[in-house]
Amino acid sequence: AQTVTQSQPEMSVQEAETVTLSCTYDTSESDYYLFWYKQPPSRQMILVIRQEAYKQQNATENRFSVNFQKAAKSFSLKISDSQLGDAAMYFCAYTSNYGGSQGNLIFGKGTKLSVKP
Amino acid sequence: DTEVTQTPKHLVMGMTNKKSLKCEQHMGHRAMYWYKQKAKKPPELMFVYSYEKLSINESVPSRFSPECPNSSLLNLHLHALQPEDSALYLCASSYIRGWETQYFGPGTRLLVL
Repeated sequence: AQTVTQSQPEMSVQEAETVTLSCTYDTSESDYYLFWYKQPPSRQMILVIRQEAYKQQNATENRFSVNFQKAAKSFSLKISDSQLGDAAMYFCAYTSNYGGSQGNLIFGKGTKLSVKP
Repeated sequence: DTEVTQTPKHLVMGMTNKKSLKCEQHMGHRAMYWYKQKAKKPPELMFVYSYEKLSINESVPSRFSPECPNSSLLNLHLHALQPEDSALYLCASSYIRGWETQYFGPGTRLLVL
């Protein structure tokens, strides 16, 4: 079975600084997709960034970028120039395109990010 | 427009009540999902509908009954719930079931007394 591990329950960053959130996963599949979702307190879960496993190039979205290491099964999220609005719970998630579990999102336990002014 | 709407935002119900949660999207998505999220935990998948047919039921108790009347609408009927069912219920949708990004609604916060 696939698993997603986020080893940092909480992280803190100073405003305007850079922070990296860690995520590792375990799978025997070759075709899969990885996501980072952000869930602010009492607010909606939104997609931050996604990565297709077949793509070697790391995904970027403005201040957000990933370091995707397929062989190491690692998928970390880097937030540059952190802003107060980045404070949230961040979930790493995995899905594959195979069989009965097609499209099922498997989430890590989350990392709570605090941003200090 | 990547909006998924859910009603009501909050719901308090007794263990003998019957209530329904509603989810709607107008993005032309053909896959819709129900998740349950307890406090400080990740979402847990409950049901998946693909092209209005139930694809996955993750061993959810029968007191939760999903319904997909059309491609834009997803309901979750609740009956005889237990206090441990209190949680945030999230709806999500994606263009198709599979690798497509899921877009989440704001959720319904349910309290069972």
